[in-house]
Amino acid sequence: GQSLEQPSEVTAVEGAIVQINCTYQTSGFYGLSWYQQHDGGAPTFLSYNALDGLEETGRFSSFLSRSDSYGYLLLQELQMKDSASYFCAVNSGNTPLVFGKGTRLSVIA
Amino acid sequence: ETGVTQTPRHLVMGMTNKKSLKCEQHLGHNAMYWYKQSAKKPLELMFVYSLEERVENNSVPSRFSPECPNSSHLFLHLHTLQPEDSALYLCASSQRHGNTIYFGEGSWLTVV
Repeated sequence: GQSLEQPSEVTAVEGAIVQINCTYQTSGFYGLSWYQQHDGGAPTFLSYNALDGLEETGRFSSFLSRSDSYGYLLLQELQMKDSASYFCAVNSGNTPLVFGKGTRLSVIA
Repeated sequence: ETGVTQTPRHLVMGMTNKKSLKCEQHLGHNAMYWYKQSAKKPLELMFVYSLEERVENNSVPSRFSPECPNSSHLFLHLHTLQPEDSALYLCASSQRHGNTIYFGEGSWLTVV
Protein backbone atom coordinates (compact mmCIF):
# COMPACT_ATOMS: atom_id res chain seq x y z
CA GLY A 1 0.00 0.00 0.00
CA GLN A 2 0.86 3.63 -0.02
CA SER A 3 0.79 6.09 2.84
CA LEU A 4 1.98 9.60 3.52
CA GLU A 5 2.42 11.31 6.87
CA GLN A 6 2.49 15.04 7.44
CA PRO A 7 1.62 17.17 10.47
CA SER A 8 -2.00 18.16 10.70
CA GLU A 9 -1.41 21.75 11.81
CA VAL A 10 1.43 24.25 11.95
CA THR A 11 1.39 27.82 13.21
CA ALA A 12 4.08 30.37 12.38
CA VAL A 13 4.65 34.09 12.68
CA GLU A 14 4.51 36.48 9.74
CA GLY A 15 7.97 36.99 8.29
CA ALA A 16 9.32 33.75 9.73
CA ILE A 17 10.34 30.49 8.05
CA VAL A 18 8.32 27.29 8.36
CA GLN A 19 9.07 23.74 7.27
CA ILE A 20 6.33 21.18 6.57
CA ASN A 21 7.58 17.61 6.58
CA CYS A 22 6.26 14.63 4.66
CA THR A 23 7.28 10.99 4.98
CA TYR A 24 5.98 8.37 2.62
CA GLN A 25 5.77 4.63 2.09
CA THR A 26 5.05 3.50 -1.45
CA SER A 27 5.59 0.44 -3.57
CA GLY A 28 7.00 2.57 -6.39
CA PHE A 29 8.29 6.11 -6.45
CA TYR A 30 8.79 8.62 -9.21
CA GLY A 31 8.53 11.88 -7.32
CA LEU A 32 6.99 14.01 -4.58
CA SER A 33 4.68 16.95 -5.25
CA TRP A 34 3.34 19.74 -3.08
CA TYR A 35 -0.04 21.43 -3.45
CA GLN A 36 -1.53 24.46 -1.73
CA GLN A 37 -5.23 24.85 -1.01
CA HIS A 38 -6.84 27.98 0.40
CA ASP A 39 -10.18 27.66 2.17
CA GLY A 40 -12.93 27.30 -0.40
CA GLY A 41 -10.47 26.99 -3.28
CA ALA A 42 -8.92 24.32 -5.45
CA PRO A 43 -5.61 22.64 -4.66
CA THR A 44 -2.93 24.24 -6.81
CA PHE A 45 0.44 22.78 -7.76
CA LEU A 46 3.49 24.24 -6.02
CA SER A 47 6.47 22.02 -6.75
CA TYR A 48 7.71 18.61 -7.80
CA ASN A 49 10.89 16.77 -6.80
CA ALA A 50 12.00 13.69 -8.69
CA LEU A 51 15.63 13.78 -7.57
CA ASP A 52 17.29 14.29 -4.20
CA GLY A 53 17.97 17.85 -3.22
CA LEU A 54 16.38 21.24 -2.94
CA GLU A 55 14.19 22.93 -5.56
CA GLU A 56 13.66 26.64 -5.07
CA THR A 57 10.83 28.72 -6.47
CA GLY A 58 10.76 32.18 -4.99
CA ARG A 59 9.85 32.08 -1.31
CA PHE A 60 8.98 28.37 -1.52
CA SER A 61 11.48 25.52 -1.64
CA SER A 62 10.96 21.78 -1.63
CA PHE A 63 13.41 19.10 -0.61
CA LEU A 64 13.54 15.37 -1.25
CA SER A 65 15.59 12.53 0.16
CA ARG A 66 14.66 9.32 -1.65
CA SER A 67 16.82 7.17 0.62
CA ASP A 68 14.93 8.46 3.66
CA SER A 69 11.50 8.49 1.95
CA TYR A 70 11.23 12.05 3.21
CA GLY A 71 10.60 15.47 1.86
CA TYR A 72 9.69 18.91 3.09
CA LEU A 73 8.24 22.18 1.91
CA LEU A 74 10.00 25.31 3.16
CA LEU A 75 8.19 28.62 3.16
CA GLN A 76 10.27 31.74 3.80
CA GLU A 77 9.28 35.31 4.62
CA LEU A 78 5.84 34.10 5.57
CA GLN A 79 2.89 36.25 4.62
CA MET A 80 -0.66 36.16 5.90
CA LYS A 81 -1.81 34.97 2.48
CA ASP A 82 0.26 31.80 2.96
CA SER A 83 -2.32 30.59 5.48
CA ALA A 84 -3.70 27.53 3.72
CA SER A 85 -3.55 23.75 3.67
CA TYR A 86 -0.51 22.12 2.12
CA PHE A 87 -0.59 18.59 0.72
CA CYS A 88 2.27 16.36 -0.26
CA ALA A 89 1.55 13.77 -2.95
CA VAL A 90 3.47 10.81 -4.30
CA ASN A 91 3.74 9.92 -7.98
CA SER A 92 4.20 6.15 -8.18
CA GLY A 93 4.22 5.98 -11.95
CA ASN A 94 1.23 4.16 -13.33
CA THR A 95 -1.19 5.11 -10.58
CA PRO A 96 -2.76 8.47 -9.87
CA LEU A 97 -1.16 10.73 -7.30
CA VAL A 98 -1.67 9.69 -3.69
CA PHE A 99 -2.17 12.63 -1.35
CA GLY A 100 -1.33 13.10 2.30
CA LYS A 101 -3.99 14.36 4.71
CA GLY A 102 -2.70 17.90 4.48
CA THR A 103 -1.10 20.36 6.87
CA ARG A 104 -3.07 23.41 7.84
CA LEU A 105 -0.70 26.38 8.13
CA SER A 106 -1.83 29.37 10.13
CA VAL A 107 0.27 32.51 9.81
CA ILE A 108 -0.16 34.92 12.70
CA ALA A 109 0.91 38.52 13.12
CA GLU B 1 -8.38 30.13 -13.44
CA THR B 2 -6.86 26.65 -13.52
CA GLY B 3 -8.16 25.52 -16.90
CA VAL B 4 -10.56 23.10 -15.22
CA THR B 5 -14.10 24.36 -14.79
CA GLN B 6 -16.71 22.76 -12.57
CA THR B 7 -20.43 23.44 -12.34
CA PRO B 8 -22.37 23.94 -10.24
CA ARG B 9 -20.17 25.41 -7.52
CA HIS B 10 -22.80 24.72 -4.89
CA LEU B 11 -25.56 22.12 -4.86
CA VAL B 12 -28.14 21.21 -2.26
CA MET B 13 -30.14 18.09 -2.96
CA GLY B 14 -32.55 15.81 -1.20
CA MET B 15 -31.83 12.13 -0.74
CA THR B 16 -34.31 11.18 -3.43
CA ASN B 17 -33.09 13.66 -6.04
CA LYS B 18 -31.01 13.02 -9.13
CA LYS B 19 -28.42 15.60 -10.07
CA SER B 20 -25.18 15.79 -12.00
CA LEU B 21 -21.86 17.56 -11.54
CA LYS B 22 -20.08 18.73 -14.66
CA CYS B 23 -16.40 19.24 -15.33
CA GLU B 24 -14.65 20.64 -18.40
CA GLN B 25 -10.92 20.98 -18.96
CA HIS B 26 -9.27 23.29 -21.50
CA LEU B 27 -5.73 22.02 -21.07
CA GLY B 28 -5.57 19.31 -23.71
CA HIS B 29 -5.11 16.61 -21.08
CA ASN B 30 -6.04 12.99 -21.63
CA ALA B 31 -6.78 11.90 -18.07
CA MET B 32 -9.54 13.16 -15.78
CA TYR B 33 -10.35 12.44 -12.16
CA TRP B 34 -13.04 12.83 -9.52
CA TYR B 35 -11.90 13.36 -5.93
CA LYS B 36 -13.98 13.71 -2.78
CA GLN B 37 -12.79 16.00 0.01
CA SER B 38 -14.48 15.84 3.39
CA ALA B 39 -13.57 17.77 6.51
CA LYS B 40 -10.49 16.44 8.27
CA LYS B 41 -10.02 13.66 5.71
CA PRO B 42 -7.47 13.26 2.93
CA LEU B 43 -8.40 13.73 -0.68
CA GLU B 44 -10.17 10.54 -1.71
CA LEU B 45 -9.75 9.42 -5.29
CA MET B 46 -13.10 8.24 -6.66
CA PHE B 47 -12.70 7.65 -10.38
CA VAL B 48 -10.01 7.94 -13.03
CA TYR B 49 -10.58 8.18 -16.76
CA SER B 50 -7.61 7.82 -19.07
CA LEU B 51 -8.11 8.26 -22.80
CA GLU B 52 -11.86 8.26 -22.06
CA GLU B 53 -11.79 4.81 -20.47
CA ARG B 54 -12.47 4.32 -16.79
CA VAL B 55 -9.28 2.87 -15.37
CA GLU B 56 -9.94 3.15 -11.67
CA ASN B 57 -12.97 2.95 -9.43
CA ASN B 58 -12.04 3.09 -5.78
CA SER B 59 -14.91 1.15 -4.24
CA VAL B 60 -17.27 4.02 -4.74
CA PRO B 61 -20.97 3.31 -4.01
CA SER B 62 -23.13 2.86 -7.07
CA ARG B 63 -25.14 5.96 -6.17
CA PHE B 64 -22.21 7.81 -7.79
CA SER B 65 -22.02 7.22 -11.52
CA PRO B 66 -19.31 8.84 -13.66
CA GLU B 67 -19.48 9.56 -17.37
CA CYS B 68 -16.71 10.70 -19.70
CA PRO B 69 -18.12 11.43 -23.16
CA ASN B 70 -14.82 12.84 -24.46
CA SER B 71 -11.39 13.82 -23.20
CA SER B 72 -12.52 17.32 -22.22
CA HIS B 73 -15.68 16.55 -20.29
CA LEU B 74 -16.44 14.55 -17.17
CA PHE B 75 -19.70 14.14 -15.31
CA LEU B 76 -20.63 12.71 -11.95
CA HIS B 77 -24.24 11.60 -11.80
CA LEU B 78 -25.74 11.53 -8.32
CA HIS B 79 -28.83 9.66 -7.15
CA THR B 80 -30.29 8.62 -3.81
CA LEU B 81 -27.36 10.12 -1.93
CA GLN B 82 -26.92 10.03 1.83
CA PRO B 83 -26.16 12.96 4.16
CA GLU B 84 -22.63 11.58 4.67
CA ASP B 85 -22.01 12.19 0.97
CA SER B 86 -22.00 15.91 1.67
CA ALA B 87 -18.51 17.08 0.71
CA LEU B 88 -16.45 19.03 -1.78
CA TYR B 89 -16.17 17.15 -5.06
CA LEU B 90 -13.10 18.05 -7.04
CA CYS B 91 -12.50 17.35 -10.68
CA ALA B 92 -8.93 17.26 -11.97
CA SER B 93 -7.06 16.57 -15.17
CA SER B 94 -3.54 15.69 -16.23
CA GLN B 95 -1.56 14.11 -18.97
CA ARG B 96 -1.72 10.33 -18.65
CA HIS B 97 1.01 9.27 -16.14
CA GLY B 98 1.83 12.91 -15.62
CA ASN B 99 3.28 14.16 -12.35
CA THR B 100 1.12 17.28 -12.11
CA ILE B 101 -2.63 17.36 -11.92
CA TYR B 102 -4.79 20.45 -12.19
CA PHE B 103 -7.88 20.79 -10.06
CA GLY B 104 -11.13 22.62 -10.65
CA GLU B 105 -12.58 24.88 -7.97
CA GLY B 106 -14.84 22.08 -6.78
CA SER B 107 -18.54 21.57 -6.29
CA TRP B 108 -19.81 21.88 -2.73
CA LEU B 109 -22.52 19.26 -2.27
CA THR B 110 -24.96 19.22 0.62
CA VAL B 111 -27.38 16.32 0.93
CA VAL B 112 -30.40 17.01 3.11
